[in-house]
Amino acid sequence: NAGVTQTPKFQVLKTGQSMTLQCAQDMNHEYMSWYRQDPGMGLRLIHYSVGAGITDQGEVPNGYNVSRSTTEDFPLRLLSAAPSQTSVYFCASGSSGDAAKGEQFFGPGTRLTVL
Amino acid sequence: AQTVTQSQPEMSVQEAETVTLSCTYDTSENNYYLFWYKQPPSRQMILVIRQEAYKQQNATENRFSVNFQKAAKSFSLKISDSQLGDTAMYFCAFIITQGGSEKLVFGKGTKLTVNP
Repeated sequence: NAGVTQTPKFQVLKTGQSMTLQCAQDMNHEYMSWYRQDPGMGLRLIHYSVGAGITDQGEVPNGYNVSRSTTEDFPLRLLSAAPSQTSVYFCASGSSGDAAKGEQFFGPGTRLTVL
Repeated sequence: AQTVTQSQPEMSVQEAETVTLSCTYDTSENNYYLFWYKQPPSRQMILVIRQEAYKQQNATENRFSVNFQKAAKSFSLKISDSQLGDTAMYFCAFIITQGGSEKLVFGKGTKLTVNP
């Protein structure tokens, strides 16, 4: 199993540009989530999904969209990038029961810089 | 509000010694889960240990153990026989339930350096 994969590893955008951060898992997990990590802030939940076709907002959802058309994939879209979205983004997944207990598998992260 | 607080932004310890990282949390729920995650320089997030609130016995995983004080809402991590590979950011985390869904809430982290 590849686990949780994220692409790209690094990305530089200009203000106003759009892009999609990709996340995929091959563990048949129902629960997937996106976090952003900023210095001194820990990880904050952006969006999450409890299964294909179901998504919901986390703590900091503004400026981000998600969709979950398949169990494997959970892309995060930035429609109009802003410097405040400069961060490291982590995708995570878990089975419904285990995710509810905090046992999530994390991807390697994407470092995004918005100029 | 349901929050997690880590009061030690940075700590250091000598190799082979023991170190304790502090965490406090706030919740009105009676059943919940608490966790410690490790993030080494590679940025990979790794689950270190988990504690279920209804269990009085403190969780242990090899050199890692917790001191869970439910009444005080305290959840500290003890690392025994520290190794250079323990150098990492450590995050305390907590499951909250909002709108019928569970969400993981993280503290701001403690940067631990193990010195040779």
